[in-house]
Amino acid sequence: KQEVTQIPAALSVPEGENLVLNCSFTDSAIYNLQWFRQDPGKGLTSLLLIQSSQREQTSGRLNASLDKSSGRSTLYIAASQPGDSATYLCAEGMDSSYKLIFGSGTRLLVRP
Amino acid sequence: DAGVIQSPRHEVTEMGQEVTLRCKPISGHNSLFWYRQTMMRGLELLIYFNNNVPIDDSGMPEDRFSAKMPNASFSTLKIQPSEPRDSAVYFCASSLVNTEAFFGQGTRLTVV
Repeated sequence: KQEVTQIPAALSVPEGENLVLNCSFTDSAIYNLQWFRQDPGKGLTSLLLIQSSQREQTSGRLNASLDKSSGRSTLYIAASQPGDSATYLCAEGMDSSYKLIFGSGTRLLVRP
Repeated sequence: DAGVIQSPRHEVTEMGQEVTLRCKPISGHNSLFWYRQTMMRGLELLIYFNNNVPIDDSGMPEDRFSAKMPNASFSTLKIQPSEPRDSAVYFCASSLVNTEAFFGQGTRLTVV
């Protein structure tokens, strides 16, 4: 059974710090991996999508990497800001149907 | 495009009543997904449509749950009869095959 694990479950950092969120998956035949942001009471906002043939994707202060051999993905946030406070979810795309298996998320708090 | 639109945003109903959740995907997207989010189980895929055809409904918890997609611009998720354990946030998402998924704001369902 495919599983996606995110560690830590919660993280609190001071503003300006660079940070890394971790995601691990058990299915080495991963099709793609997507990182989302969820604000309280809101839907999910797509941040980055990494195809299985790619090693990383970048968008502004965000950089996501994918290592299929180790079953890991990381989301790097540079120069964190209070507005980055949210829950970050990673999701494994299992096949071309694009069904997603979600991790339980990392709740991030960036303190001013 | 206004994004994925779900209605209602909140629904409170009594146990045993029928509940219908609605979703309008992004125009041009050919894949539609219904997910359920709870504190205990996180985000779970309920059913997936491709070109209006249900492809995988293995995540639908019971026969009380049914979903339809009569055309490319509309889908419903129905629970009949509803039970308190169905209380959750239900998300609809749409995508083109092998591209990022876009989520609606969700419907928060409370069954009392």
